Amino acid sequence: DAKTTQPPSMDCAEGRAANLPCNHSTISGNEYVYWYRQIHSQGPQYIIHGLKNNETNEMASLIITEDRKSSTLILPHATLRDTAVYYCIVRVGDMDTGRRALTFGSGTRLQVQP
Amino acid sequence: NAGVTQTPKFQVLKTGQSMTLQCAQDMNHNSMYWYRQDPGMGLRLIYYSASEGTTDKGEVPNGYNVSRLNKREFSLRLESAAPSQTSVYFCATEREYNYGYTFGSGTRLTVV
Repeated sequence: DAKTTQPPSMDCAEGRAANLPCNHSTISGNEYVYWYRQIHSQGPQYIIHGLKNNETNEMASLIITEDRKSSTLILPHATLRDTAVYYCIVRVGDMDTGRRALTFGSGTRLQVQP
Repeated sequence: NAGVTQTPKFQVLKTGQSMTLQCAQDMNHNSMYWYRQDPGMGLRLIYYSASEGTTDKGEVPNGYNVSRLNKREFSLRLESAAPSQTSVYFCATEREYNYGYTFGSGTRLTVV
């Protein structure tokens, strides 16, 4: 699976959009981009995933560049409860080429400031 | 609907003792996973089970065994606990491949 690079930490003001970048320049055509977050010491929480089109759900939006070498997770109106470690993960999406479990890196620690 | 239930939530073991961490899910998910997370670190995969009756090693399987008892339950056993196994253990499930994981709340294990 392709390796990802994320900034170790970011700050965001409460009520503003939080834009979390992720670089995955070696991504393959059949690899999906996943985002998870971990609040304090809880179990990680699934946020969103996508292949090449932009995706949106009730939690966030995922913007993937046209060349798929990077992506941005957008939390449109960050709250204090969004303070967490955010993980960007790339995973092969084709079962025929081998099932892969998610591999978590060190993520980005987002601190939402009041 | 409890989702993914891990027991116990906390455990202190002495070096050399054995124990089994339990994970049960009520979502009828096919795949189940065991991860460990050391302080300040990301999660590392220990073992996983793609479906009932199958198990595979992950990144850090040494010192552990697993059992997929049925579709609902996936247990992790430490035969002879070592201080290096002090960690938080998370169980996760996935309905089908590429759907997204649901995690339990974790078991905090200390080996002294």
